[in-house]
Amino acid sequence: EAGVAQSPRYKIIEKRQSVAFWCNPISGHATLYWYQQILGQGPKLLIQFQNNGVVDDSQLPKDRFSAERLKGVDSTLKIQPAKLEDSAVYLCASSWGPQGPFTDTQYFGPGTRLTVL
Amino acid sequence: AQSVAQPEDQVNVAEGNPLTVKCTYSVSGNPYLFWYVQYPNRGLQFLLKYITGDNLVKGSYGFEAEFNKSQTSFHLKKPSALVSDSALYFCAVRNQDRDDKIIFGKGTRLHILP
Repeated sequence: EAGVAQSPRYKIIEKRQSVAFWCNPISGHATLYWYQQILGQGPKLLIQFQNNGVVDDSQLPKDRFSAERLKGVDSTLKIQPAKLEDSAVYLCASSWGPQGPFTDTQYFGPGTRLTVL
Repeated sequence: AQSVAQPEDQVNVAEGNPLTVKCTYSVSGNPYLFWYVQYPNRGLQFLLKYITGDNLVKGSYGFEAEFNKSQTSFHLKKPSALVSDSALYFCAVRNQDRDDKIIFGKGTRLHILP
């Protein structure tokens, strides 16, 4: 079974530039998550999709971050414009379905390491 | 509000010795509890989870965790450490009774010394 795919693996940009990350979840997984992991911290949920609808985006800085999941499969996360404090690893994860005891297990991609100069 | 604490930034254990990585949590209802491991330049991998029932949960790679409701803890354990267990370990919690997001701890780096 193929895992969660993310690209690019690394990205270096200057502040005020734009950047986009792509995620392809495990086939059949209805729920997709984007996390931000700052060095020395645990992952923080930015946005959660159930199929192509947003379930939770309460911690997404909506003035600069946006995400979409067209057709309920692949997803993109965009930052525009980037700030220095956006330097982090951006993790994508997926799970089978709505949150519950047997569907909560999340499978993570390798992440995209973003450096903002 | 829910939260999770991993009080140790780093744990050092000699190979072959038992290991414990500590985790305490706070939720207003019943918790789902998770442990994930992160190897360098890789995403998080699921180790085990507590849903309900038996307080001792067994997971991947010989790891287990004990749910202690009175102490609100979910410590990760392994009877005999391997050098390959060296990695970053994250505890996470979600409230069973509400549709809350999962919250991760800050992580504990485990060093197994040969």
